[in-house]
Amino acid sequence: QLHLQESGPGLVKPLETLSLTCTVSGDSITTGSHWWGWFRRPPGKGLEWIGNIYFTGTTRYNPSLKSRVTISLDTSKNQFFLRLTSVTAADTAEYYCARRESTNDFFSGYWGYYFDYWGPGSLVTVSS
Amino acid sequence: EVVLTQSPATLSLSPGAGATLSCRASQSVRSVTLAWYQQRRGQAPRLLIYATSSRATGVPDRFSGSGSGTDFTLTISGLQPEDSAMYYCQQCDTSSLVTFGGGTSVEIE
Repeated sequence: QLHLQESGPGLVKPLETLSLTCTVSGDSITTGSHWWGWFRRPPGKGLEWIGNIYFTGTTRYNPSLKSRVTISLDTSKNQFFLRLTSVTAADTAEYYCARRESTNDFFSGYWGYYFDYWGPGSLVTVSS
Repeated sequence: EVVLTQSPATLSLSPGAGATLSCRASQSVRSVTLAWYQQRRGQAPRLLIYATSSRATGVPDRFSGSGSGTDFTLTISGLQPEDSAMYYCQQCDTSSLVTFGGGTSVEIE
């Protein structure tokens, strides 16, 4: 059974860097079958995609966060990481990691992507 | 970039009733790229529907998805108390950009 678990500091000071780890068990992040992603949900707001990473290190980021985000991985530990720099109170949120799955429309040949396994979340508060 | 608009923002319904949640895309999207999630209070999102109408593993058949082009719908029949949650639509294609709708809150009273 696939399991993802976020970990990291629950409190970060303004203008410092938020760092989180997602540890994956039950599947290898190096199989090449999936991308792996980070998301967040600020209090009282909706879900927001932060970015994805492939086992090769290829990344895709939300354009609105791209200048402050780095996602990386450690294949030896089956972990991937989120770094968000220069945080403000607006970055206070529950942060989630998840696995991206893909599906193909046989008739059109088009691909769609969705997230089938999620970690329980890690609350990060930005405050001095 | 595709923008997803969900309506209504809130639904308050009785147990056993049916719910219809709407997700409208700012431009036509392929049906295979549209998914729905449920997020109960204090829990992680849970995949309900992918490729517009395919139920994820373990999802009860009272949840169904439909739609095409710019208009997509999640229908919940026979609402149960445990269906109280936020529901989000999500779109992701080969651009790899992921977008979510603003969500619909379903309250079972």
